[in-house]
Amino acid sequence: EVQLVQSGPEMKKPGESLKISCKGSGNIFATSWIGWVRQMSGRGLDWIGFMHPGDSKIIYSPSFQGQVTISADRSISIAYLQWSSLKASDSAMYYCVRGGIDWGQGTLVTVSS
Amino acid sequence: QSALTQPASVSGSPGQSITISCSGSSNDVGAYDYVSWYQQHPGKAPKLIIYDVNYRPSGVSNRFSGSKSGNTASLTISGLQPEDEADYYCSSYTRSRTRVFGTGTEVIVL
Repeated sequence: EVQLVQSGPEMKKPGESLKISCKGSGNIFATSWIGWVRQMSGRGLDWIGFMHPGDSKIIYSPSFQGQVTISADRSISIAYLQWSSLKASDSAMYYCVRGGIDWGQGTLVTVSS
Repeated sequence: QSALTQPASVSGSPGQSITISCSGSSNDVGAYDYVSWYQQHPGKAPKLIIYDVNYRPSGVSNRFSGSKSGNTASLTISGLQPEDEADYYCSSYTRSRTRVFGTGTEVIVL
């Protein structure tokens, strides 16, 4: 079982930038896709996007295209999710997930003036 | 890309069987056998309980089973237990190489 450890909770102001991380034990990029999921308070799950193994191509769900950036440093098994200009509506819990099986503990992002 | 449609809630008594439906389209559920189901207890990360329509990860109770017919997938929980009370989400791979979740179903154990 791969363990995914996410960075801690964040409190930001609208317009600020943010990069959260997800570190895996072992080579998390070797054979499985790595994705990010948003869950707004009291709401359902939304797929944000995925990094496919092999070609490392990143596919964003239409709702998140242009709103966030997914990246990774394969050498240290870390995946990232970043925003260049946060909005209050970005406030949510964000999970990283590997192959659907392994989930991070979640990173709570709060955006408020 | 619309979320897959699930009933908002399903309830049953301990020991009973319940089924949760997940309705999609020929672009997602109907296109591939890549439907997964997740269980989420309050305050916890989701947990994979079914993948590829009807396969259970190691350690998941065999009371959980999945199936698919056309554009609709289903999750059946047999022998309902109090600890099964949680939110359940289906998910499908899509023709756009993305994934889409269902709207989520709250399972209530009476």
